[in-house]
Amino acid sequence: QSALTQPASVSGSPGQSITISCTGTSSDIGGYNYVSWYQQYPGKVPKLLIFEVSNRPSWVSHRFSGSKSGNTASLTVSGLQAEDEADYYCSSYTSRGPLVFGGGTKLTVL
Amino acid sequence: EVQLLESGGGLVQPGGSLRLSCAASGFTFSSYAMTWVRQAPGKGLEWVSAITGSGSHTYYADSVKGRFTISRDNTKNTLDLQMNSLRVDDMAVYYCAKGKGGPDASDYWGQGTLVTVSS
Repeated sequence: QSALTQPASVSGSPGQSITISCTGTSSDIGGYNYVSWYQQYPGKVPKLLIFEVSNRPSWVSHRFSGSKSGNTASLTVSGLQAEDEADYYCSSYTSRGPLVFGGGTKLTVL
Repeated sequence: EVQLLESGGGLVQPGGSLRLSCAASGFTFSSYAMTWVRQAPGKGLEWVSAITGSGSHTYYADSVKGRFTISRDNTKNTLDLQMNSLRVDDMAVYYCAKGKGGPDASDYWGQGTLVTVSS
């Protein structure tokens, strides 16, 4: 199972919005509405942010949103805060899988 | 409160075996698929294996297929991962995670258990 493709790093200033992309194929992201996003602080457990492309669990801030277009999913963080500095991972159901993760993106808040 | 507590990690030589366990509480265990995800030191998340709520279906990453076996005991609310023929590249923190209900997301994760493969 090939990993989904994420940028290694993104950065933004407090108050700005950033978007992290996650690119797959028609066998995963493009073929199913089962994309999730996780946030992970160094040395900590991953935390679910988004499931089924754009749904937020009750514990997640409305500043986090997800979307998908074709074979690419995106996570947008609006009103960037210092506490958002972390690693972010996408995952998708896959016909070859059933699950595959992206390589992860380090978000730096400038 | 959902709790997942992994155990069984440790140091093992290449070619050796280890059995990880995950004790679950705070939810109806048999109603949810469970997953093992690992993270090598300084690396990203890697999906390893999953099992349906009833235990009737199991799934494996190509990297562990034929070497690892996932199982569950719904009477004891436990999830296991039997790891055989361990390799250096199996070294990682192993997390057990609860499925949210759909085939994609895991909404609760354990604290992880470290597996070190070294001679």
